[in-house]
Amino acid sequence: DGGITQSPKYLFRKEGQNVTLSCEQNLNHDAMYWYRQDPGQGLRLIYYSQIVNDFQKGDIAEGYSVSREKKESFPLTVTSAQKNPTAFYLCASSPTTLRAFFGQGTRLTVV
Amino acid sequence: KNQVEQSPQSLIILEGKNCTLQCNYTVSPFSNLRWYKQDTGRGPVSLTIMTFSENTKSNGRYTATLDADTKQSSLHITASQLSDSASYICVVSLAAGGTSYGKLTFGQGTILTVHP
Repeated sequence: DGGITQSPKYLFRKEGQNVTLSCEQNLNHDAMYWYRQDPGQGLRLIYYSQIVNDFQKGDIAEGYSVSREKKESFPLTVTSAQKNPTAFYLCASSPTTLRAFFGQGTRLTVV
Repeated sequence: KNQVEQSPQSLIILEGKNCTLQCNYTVSPFSNLRWYKQDTGRGPVSLTIMTFSENTKSNGRYTATLDADTKQSSLHITASQLSDSASYICVVSLAAGGTSYGKLTFGQGTILTVHP
């Protein structure tokens, strides 16, 4: 789906380092979401934000942090506290509950 | 606990054949159900979305059905093509309200492989 940009596409991180994944949307959507995808598992919700300056923990928020200072941007920081950060991360935005638009994803690998 | 279960986990078919993927859910209160196609290493792309009152919806060779009473949905792919090889994900959305507004519950996906 267009309108949501995640960067970078591939990211490598050394153990013990924090890393920030970018998610930008120009769709004027209020709600934005971060998901993690692991092989053989469904997408799991990390954090979501319904409006600027507000966000809520999802099902697996430990070891992650987010900010929502602007409507267009919802960056995700993977901290050193996240024990198993290697995964495919997807960002999404939604105007209502009827539709979600996904970014192309960032594959994070810890080396 | 709100859950979405998909079956089968994986499926291999020959090009030109039809197939049907299943999705059962326990999400409540239900808002809508969507089917997404996800190519490897890419974000999911929406195929269909159905609300409580809709029983069937088509998008080209894709036809989704929904039985809100039994909480089951299916995605039927007609005359499969090699490009249909992907993961198909069923996603159910909670109804708006409270702190769960817009929360999506994902199935594990069905990996479809189409062989020539």
